[in-house]
Amino acid sequence: QVQLEQSGGEVKKPGASVKVSCKTSGYTFTTSNINWVRQAPGQGLEWLGWISADNGDTKFAEKFQGRLTLTTDTSTSTAYMELRGLTSDDTALYYCARDKPYRTTRWMSDYWGQGTQVTVSS
Amino acid sequence: EIVLTQSPATLSLSPGQRATLSCRASESIHTYLHWYQQKPGQAPRLLIYDASNRATGIPARFSGSGSGTDFTLTISNLEPEDFAVYYCQDRSRSFGQGTRLDIK
Repeated sequence: QVQLEQSGGEVKKPGASVKVSCKTSGYTFTTSNINWVRQAPGQGLEWLGWISADNGDTKFAEKFQGRLTLTTDTSTSTAYMELRGLTSDDTALYYCARDKPYRTTRWMSDYWGQGTQVTVSS
Repeated sequence: EIVLTQSPATLSLSPGQRATLSCRASESIHTYLHWYQQKPGQAPRLLIYDASNRATGIPARFSGSGSGTDFTLTISNLEPEDFAVYYCQDRSRSFGQGTRLDIK
């Protein structure tokens, strides 16, 4: 069965960086993208970016350009999200999701990780 | 940038009733629109993809329709477990602001 297992919660100080991992299993890693989505307390879902596990191509939401890095390790079927320059506004639950193709150029997030809480506090 | 607007923000209904949730795109997205359900403390779950296709394991009481800019998620005969927040998402991966479905 498809599973996405995320790393544990993090507490960071303003200005620091955080790196969250998403270990996948149950499918061929390189056949899908990995999406990253976050949810601030009491708020809706916010898309951060995606990475192709096949060729490493990335696309980011404009507001995260320049401080978000997405990477993958195909040897361990794991994706990573690194966010730099943290502020209190980055306090949120961060999710990874498998972005599965269902047409040549269409994708859907059909399996999600359990979420990783990132708290930014001085 | 495509903006998705969901309405209503909150919908209060009773079990057994029918729920109709709307998602409007700022420009045509053809049928590239997905619906997710999120319950408290849980990750989102894919319900409907490509406007009208139920995801694996989703009950038949959930249905989606629409194309272009106007989309609808319908939940017929509401069950207690259906009360949650529902989000739409388009090809850019952006989400609508969500509709909270509450028990009346």
